[in-house]
Amino acid sequence: DTGVSQDPRHKITKRGQNVTFRCDPISEHNRLYWYRQTLGQGPEFLTYFQNEAQLEKSRLLSDRFSAERPKGSFSTLEIQRTEQGDSAMYLCASSLAFRTSHEQYFGPGTRLTVT
Amino acid sequence: RKEVEQDPGPFNVPEGATVAFNCTYSNSASQSFFWYRQDCRKEPKLLMSVYSSGNEDGRFTAQLNRASQYISLLIRDSKLSDSATYLCVVSNTGNQFYFGTGTSLTVIP
Repeated sequence: DTGVSQDPRHKITKRGQNVTFRCDPISEHNRLYWYRQTLGQGPEFLTYFQNEAQLEKSRLLSDRFSAERPKGSFSTLEIQRTEQGDSAMYLCASSLAFRTSHEQYFGPGTRLTVT
Repeated sequence: RKEVEQDPGPFNVPEGATVAFNCTYSNSASQSFFWYRQDCRKEPKLLMSVYSSGNEDGRFTAQLNRASQYISLLIRDSKLSDSATYLCVVSNTGNQFYFGTGTSLTVIP
C-alpha cells in the first residue's frame, strides 16, 4: 500500500496520560499535515511540515501538543496530559508541493478516546 | 467569521437527480480550492480540485467564482454511491487548509 498510513488506528487512554501517534506519508511527498476532526465538523488544521521543518502551527494547538518530523519522512504527534476534550479523530495528510498544486491525501486517522 | 462556510444539509435526493452544493470563503487571497468526499467514519478523499475556468469530471462539475468568493459542486445523475459528506477546502499559500463543516448528501432509491 503506497498511501498514507497512521498508527495506531484507535487509542483509548485515561485523562492525564500521554499519547503519541505516528504518520507515514506517501514516500515522495515533502509536505505533511496534521488535523483534528470531531463529529459533525470538518478537519481542523493543527500543524504542517515541509520536509523536516515545522512551518505552521495553529493558534488552537496548545502547549500540550507537539509534533516532529525528524528526517523529513514519518511524523509523530504527541499529546501530553490528555484531557477529555482531546477526544477526536487525528488525521494526517501529505502532499507534493508542485507548482500551484496542493492536493492532499489523507491517512485513515487515529481515533482517540480520553476517558 | 469562519474561513469557509457550507450549508450542512442534509440533502436527500432521489437517484438520477441533479444536486448542487455551494461553499463561501472569506479570504480573497485564497488560491487553491478543492472538494473532498468523506464517507462515514472514513478519511476525506480528494474528489476534485477547482480551477478558475471551472472543471468537469464525469458527472461532477466544479466552479469557482472569485468575485463572489464561492465555489460550487454539481452532481448530475446521482447514484446511491454518491451518498457521503462533501467537504469544501480552501487554501491561501498551501501552508494552511481550511475545511468547511461538510454537506451531507443521501441519495434515495
